[in-house]
Parts: sequence; C-alpha cells; structure tokens
Amino acid sequence: NAGVTQTPKFQVLKTGQSMTLQCAQDMNHEYMSWYRQDPGMGLRLIHYSVGAGITDQGEVPNGYNVSRSTTEDFPLRLLSAAPSQTSVYFCASSPWTGDQETQYFGPGTRLLVL
Amino acid sequence: KQEVTQIPAALSVPEGENLVLNCSFTDSAIYNLQWFRQDPGKGLTSLLLIQSSQREQTSGRLNASLDKSSGRSTLYIAASQPGDSATYLCAVVNTGGFKTIFGAGTRLFVKA
Repeated sequence: NAGVTQTPKFQVLKTGQSMTLQCAQDMNHEYMSWYRQDPGMGLRLIHYSVGAGITDQGEVPNGYNVSRSTTEDFPLRLLSAAPSQTSVYFCASSPWTGDQETQYFGPGTRLLVL
Repeated sequence: KQEVTQIPAALSVPEGENLVLNCSFTDSAIYNLQWFRQDPGKGLTSLLLIQSSQREQTSGRLNASLDKSSGRSTLYIAASQPGDSATYLCAVVNTGGFKTIFGAGTRLFVKA
C-alpha cells in the first residue's frame, strides 16, 4: 500500500491564483481530512469527510473548498490564494470504525503565496 | 471550545534519560486522545491512541496515560535515544464529533 499520498510537494502561487492540492489513499478509509500547520502551532483542521459525498467544515475552512466524489480522493481547492494561506498542508485518513481510529498522514504540501 | 496545551514547548535531555511529555485539554468529554511524532519536514506518525474508556497504552519504550477528569495525558519515554529526537504532538477528538484538535507540540532533542 502507498498509504496517503499528496501532490505537489511544493508550490508557489501568486495572490489571487487558484490551485488544487491532491490527496489520495489506498486503504479504503472512510474518513479523510485536511489540516494546515503554521510555525509554532499545531495542526488546524480545515475540512473533513466521513465518506464519499459527505464533507464538513473544520476550525479554519474559510478560503478553501473540498469535495469527495470517491472513497480514495479528497482534493483541497484554493479559489483565490492569499498570503495568509502560506503554510504546510497535510492530508490524513482513518478507518474511524470501532477502535480503529488511528489517523494516517501524508507527507505534506508546502505552499508559498506571494 | 476544546483547547489542547503541551508543556514544555522544547526539551533537551542526555541520552538514556527517562522523560515525560505533558498534554492538557480543557473539555473532558473526549472520544479519544492520540500521540504523534513528527520529524522535520515530514508528516505525522501515530505513536499511541487511547480511547476515552482506557487509562493507558504502551508500545515498546513508550507509555501514554490518560486522566479525563483532570484533563491530562502524559507520554513517558524510557531510556531515550538520539533517534527519539522529533516533535511530539498530542491530539484529542471530542465526544460526538469527528474533529481533531492538536496541541502545538513539544520539540525533543536527545543528546548523544
């Protein structure tokens, strides 16, 4: 299993540009989520999904959109990038059933917005 | 609103020392608590997950405890090694939800 994969690894955007961060998992996990990590801070939840077609907002959803058309993929869209969105973005997945709630993280995408 | 705090923010110890990392949370109605390790420039790796009904979990040299009533968890690392150097993050999921709240982490440096 490849686990949780994220692309790209690094991206530079100009203010106002749009882009999609890709996340995929091959473990058939129902739960997937997106976090951002800023220096000196823990991870903050952006959006999450408990299954295909079901998404909900986390702590910091403004400026980000998500969709979940398949179990495997959970892309994160920035419609109009702002410098405040400069961060490291992590995707995670979990079975979230019974006692199997461990979250598995991807390697991250470093985003710089100029 | 759930808040998670980790103390200390950074810790430097000599190799072989036993150490304790602390995590506190403000709302005791948690579903589970998880400890993660993060190496520089990398993603997070799960170390231990404690369900709300459990008091502790162990994996090798690691032991995590949970006291919901006092809003505290500790991660005990025995016989520390330079390879243990990393940032350790604590995260809680509240009862009835799917949202995970993270602490800011403790950066650990184990000197050879």
